[in-house]
Amino acid sequence: RKEVEQDPGPFNVPEGATVAFNCTYSNSASQSFFWYRQDCRKEPKLLMSVYSSGNEDGRFTAQLNRASQYISLLIRDSKLSDSATYLCVVNQILSGGYNKLIFGAGTRLAVHP
Amino acid sequence: GAVVSQHPSRVICKSGTSVKIECRSLDFQATTMFWYRQFPKQSLMLMATSNEGSKATYEQGVEKDKFLINHASLTLSTLTVTSAHPEDSSFYICSVPTSRKNTEAFFGQGTRLTVV
Repeated sequence: RKEVEQDPGPFNVPEGATVAFNCTYSNSASQSFFWYRQDCRKEPKLLMSVYSSGNEDGRFTAQLNRASQYISLLIRDSKLSDSATYLCVVNQILSGGYNKLIFGAGTRLAVHP
Repeated sequence: GAVVSQHPSRVICKSGTSVKIECRSLDFQATTMFWYRQFPKQSLMLMATSNEGSKATYEQGVEKDKFLINHASLTLSTLTVTSAHPEDSSFYICSVPTSRKNTEAFFGQGTRLTVV
């Protein structure tokens, strides 16, 4: 089983649509969770952190369910510029004390006119 | 502006040659840097953790003699792909954690390596 699993998509939606992405992680000891956005052939960029209480940033809402080890991202009023790959990312603390980010394979979103 | 600079952004090399990729933190000192590899339509996979002044820590399955990492200063880490083969063609990207807990990270622009 992959450490972080996402539906690869693609999700093809019209402008203005609401779209939701889901992610599950396998390590119950994970402490920090993020959504990153990656455009084609570019580096990932942090979209938002995900907190247990849920958090919102403009049109983007993230939710975390620790019991189910499930993370979600909701995008409202989709824009053409939202077209990208959305990466679910989980922090993992390893023996030796250092941390690493575990990336999901990403979910592709294509917003069309 | 960018806080992590990675160079080159794209490189094409012949099989058997070596390629060096640089990762610089521009505004702060980085005792730790991470090197990732991403094949098309796949996850970013951590290859190794670069530690300033000490040996890099490699992930399972990553050959340390093939992927040489040097972190000689607090602002520069290099990854050298030695004796490159076509299967090494990939997108290589470095990242610098923003805090000791690596709760998020700044990424370099990435290097697209093509071995012919």
